[in-house]
Amino acid sequence: NAGVTQTPKFRVLKTGQSMTLLCAQDMNHEYMYWYRQDPGMGLRLIHYSVGEGTTAKGEVPDGYNVSRLKKQNFLLGLESAAPSQTSVYFCASSPTAGGATGELFFGEGSRLTVL
Amino acid sequence: DAKTTQPNSMESNEEEPVHLPCNHSTISGTDYIHWYRQLPSQGPEYVIHGLTSNVNNRMASLAIAEDRKSSTLILHRATLRDAAVYYCILRDRWNTDKLIFGTGTRLQVFP
Repeated sequence: NAGVTQTPKFRVLKTGQSMTLLCAQDMNHEYMYWYRQDPGMGLRLIHYSVGEGTTAKGEVPDGYNVSRLKKQNFLLGLESAAPSQTSVYFCASSPTAGGATGELFFGEGSRLTVL
Repeated sequence: DAKTTQPNSMESNEEEPVHLPCNHSTISGTDYIHWYRQLPSQGPEYVIHGLTSNVNNRMASLAIAEDRKSSTLILHRATLRDAAVYYCILRDRWNTDKLIFGTGTRLQVFP
């Protein structure tokens, strides 16, 4: 059981380039999330999805776009990368919403450097 | 949104119990208390969660104050593998979007 898989795991971009991070989960979860983590900081929510075909903004959505065309995949796009987007990106999925049962399962992270 | 406050860091010796505190004085009646931990170079992993009663699982115990304004994650016997950043998070019963992690407590475990 792979769980949550992120690709690529490492990427170096030049300012202005674009790229897409792919998150795939094989647990049939409805909810998926993208977070970023800067050095010495906690995780900040970028965008999230409550089901196939839906997306919503989190705390820090500017400069990112997302798509959830298939239930198992959640894509995070950077249209024009900036050095401020250098970070480690984590994808997570959850079977349900809310605090009663909504345990999040995280991927191993994607380290992005923008020069 | 209700927020949590945790110490920046704590230390423990191996095989000793560890009590990681979390203050959440503005917690609402529908907020669950969740704990996650993040090992070095890994994504966060779920540890435990609760609403009002104390909870135990194979990883840890969660002690919740009677007024719910604070809680404590208890690792009964710390091991070197427990060295991580521990996050205390409030999750509303229904809302899924406001999962704010904060900076957590960095736990160091010494042999």
